[in-house]
Amino acid sequence: KQEVTQIPAALSVPEGENLVLNCSFTDSAIYNLQWFRQDPGKGLTSLLLIQSSQREQTSGRLNASLDKSSGRSTLYIAASQPGDSATYLCAVRGYNAGKSTFGDGTTLTVKP
Amino acid sequence: DAGVTQSPTHLIKTRGQQVTLRCSPKSGHDTVSWYQQALGQGPQFIFQYYEEEERQRGNFPDRFSGHQFPNYSSELNVNALLLGDSALYLCASSSGGASYGYTFGSGTRLTVV
Repeated sequence: KQEVTQIPAALSVPEGENLVLNCSFTDSAIYNLQWFRQDPGKGLTSLLLIQSSQREQTSGRLNASLDKSSGRSTLYIAASQPGDSATYLCAVRGYNAGKSTFGDGTTLTVKP
Repeated sequence: DAGVTQSPTHLIKTRGQQVTLRCSPKSGHDTVSWYQQALGQGPQFIFQYYEEEERQRGNFPDRFSGHQFPNYSSELNVNALLLGDSALYLCASSSGGASYGYTFGSGTRLTVV
């Protein structure tokens, strides 16, 4: 059974800092890993999708890496802004191409 | 390009009642998955529909059932509601194989009183 853990559960940083969010998973037989952003009471917005054959993906100030062998992914946010404040979730999709397993998220607060 | 549409956005029901939630997938997507998200937790997989059939199911009781229509839209039905069913219900659509990621709707907030 796949288990996904996100550390830390909460993070507060001053504006302008570079930061790293962590995601670890127990079963390395994955199809892909997806990072999402969730604002309070809202749905999930996809940030980055990394296929199992890829090592990283970049979009603007965001960079996500994947190390299947160690069961880890990181989301790097450069030059953080107050608008980045949200909960960040990672989801791991198994080889059965069906469900994704989510972590409980990291709640990020960026202070002006 | 319309994304995933869910209705209603909010719903209040009494224990023991039944509820139906609806989802229209993103244009071009043929697979719909439903997730339940309790406050402060990550989404939990309920089930997935493809070609009008339930393809995979998570660890949820039979009170949770669903349907997919020929136009790929989907419904989630929950019978005999419990207080613990209060949550944000999220619909996600995808296309073809797992190479493509999910697109999520804004969710339906269900409160059971």
